[in-house]
Amino acid sequence: DIVMTQSPDSLAVSLGERATINCKSSQSVLYSSDNKNYLAWYQQKPGQPPKVLIYWASTRESGVPDRFSGSGSGTDFTLTISSLQAEDVAVYYCQQYSTTPRTFGQGTKLQIK
Amino acid sequence: QVQLVQSEAEMKKPGASVKVSCEASGFTFIGSYIHWVRQAPGQGLEWMGWINPNSGGTKYTQNFQGRVTMTRDTSISTVYMDLNRLRSDDTAVYYCARGVNGDYSWFDRWGQGTLVTVSS
Repeated sequence: DIVMTQSPDSLAVSLGERATINCKSSQSVLYSSDNKNYLAWYQQKPGQPPKVLIYWASTRESGVPDRFSGSGSGTDFTLTISSLQAEDVAVYYCQQYSTTPRTFGQGTKLQIK
Repeated sequence: QVQLVQSEAEMKKPGASVKVSCEASGFTFIGSYIHWVRQAPGQGLEWMGWINPNSGGTKYTQNFQGRVTMTRDTSISTVYMDLNRLRSDDTAVYYCARGVNGDYSWFDRWGQGTLVTVSS
């Protein structure tokens, strides 16, 4: 199974500042056949299901604010929130969908400093 | 609009079975895989498997092999997740989610979740 490891486990950032969450996979999720990274990022607020923010490592889902961006390739990925807003307080998960079983990172809790 | 609506919360005793439903609307039911993901209280997300509503084909993670069965009823655009021999550590919110890009896909829509509580 591919193990997804996120860092940090929790993060406190001031409003308007940049937040960065990292995700490392135990093996590459880049497929040479299509040159795509099978990596998604989700946001989960309390009492709600997860919501996809980013897929293919860097493609923003329709309707997601452009302050959210994803980067990286192979085994190392980053979710960046360029200017933190109050409504961004949540837990963030990365997920690989390249192999079975699909696996998620342990989550990063983002709070306001 | 695209929606996945799940059945209500369930309370079960250890050793019993539970069947959670997920009704799809707003999209072509047989055109997308439906995955099941669970989340224990205060914990992270655990993928359980998928069902292809078109063929009825399924794939389950090893952790649930022999205990989970996913089925579908195309006439009512509904998928089901059956989990048997319940244990206390099966207490979790169970989500269905749509894989919009075939088998190897991110999950772009989620059901609201169904809390299953296993307790004697």
